[in-house]
Amino acid sequence: SQQGEEDPQALSIQEGENATMNCSYKTSINNLQWYRQNSGRGLVHLILIRSNEREKHSGRLRVTLDTSKKSSSLLITASRAADTASYFCATDAWGSGNTGKLIFGQGTTLQVKP
Amino acid sequence: NAGVMQNPRHLVRRRGQEARLRCSPMKGHSHVYWYRQLPEEGLKFMVYLQKENIIDESGMPKERFSAEFPKEGPSILRIQQVVRGDSAAYFCASSPKGPGSPLHFGNGTRLTVT
Repeated sequence: SQQGEEDPQALSIQEGENATMNCSYKTSINNLQWYRQNSGRGLVHLILIRSNEREKHSGRLRVTLDTSKKSSSLLITASRAADTASYFCATDAWGSGNTGKLIFGQGTTLQVKP
Repeated sequence: NAGVMQNPRHLVRRRGQEARLRCSPMKGHSHVYWYRQLPEEGLKFMVYLQKENIIDESGMPKERFSAEFPKEGPSILRIQQVVRGDSAAYFCASSPKGPGSPLHFGNGTRLTVT
C-alpha cells in the first residue's frame, strides 16, 4: 500500500482562510517532501523536511513533522485563489537503498474560492 | 535555465505499438527519475538513472518497459507492445545531487492507448 496517506482527500475554503493538510506514513524516513500539482502540469517542490527536523517555514507555508507518530502537516496561511491545486506528500524511506526514490501519497485537492 | 523538458506532451498509440517518451533534465542535473500517475492517484516510482547507469528499477514492470539515460541526449522511457492499462501520465524528474535532494518535474507525457 502507499507509504503516504493524505487527509483530507479534498478541501474547499474561502480566500484568506488557512488550509491544513495532513500526511501519515508507515516506515522510517530520511526526509519528507511536499509538492504541489496544478491540473495537467508537473509537480512543483514546496518544502523538504529532514527526519531530525520538527518544523520548517517557507513564506506562507509551514510544515511540521512528528516522527513518533509518523505524520506531517502542511499549513498554508492566508490562502489565495492561486493556491488551488493538488498537494502531495512524498517520503524518502530509510533503507530504500538510499536511491532517493520518493513514495507519494494520494494527494489532497485544495480549492480556494475567491 | 530551462526546466525539465518532456516530449511529446500527448501520445496516442494503438494496442501493440511502441511508445517512446523523452526527457531532457535540467542543465547540470545528472540524476533522472521516472514516475507514472494514474487518474486521481499519486505518482508511483518507476526507475532512477544516472548518466549511462540504471540505479534503481524496482518500480518498473518486468516486461515491455525499459529506460535509458545515455551519455549524450535525453533519457528515454520505452514501452513495447502497449496495452490499455499503460494509459497514464508519465513524469520525469531530475535533480543535481540525487538522493536527499528535491526533484524538479517536467509537465509529463500523457499516453493514451486505444
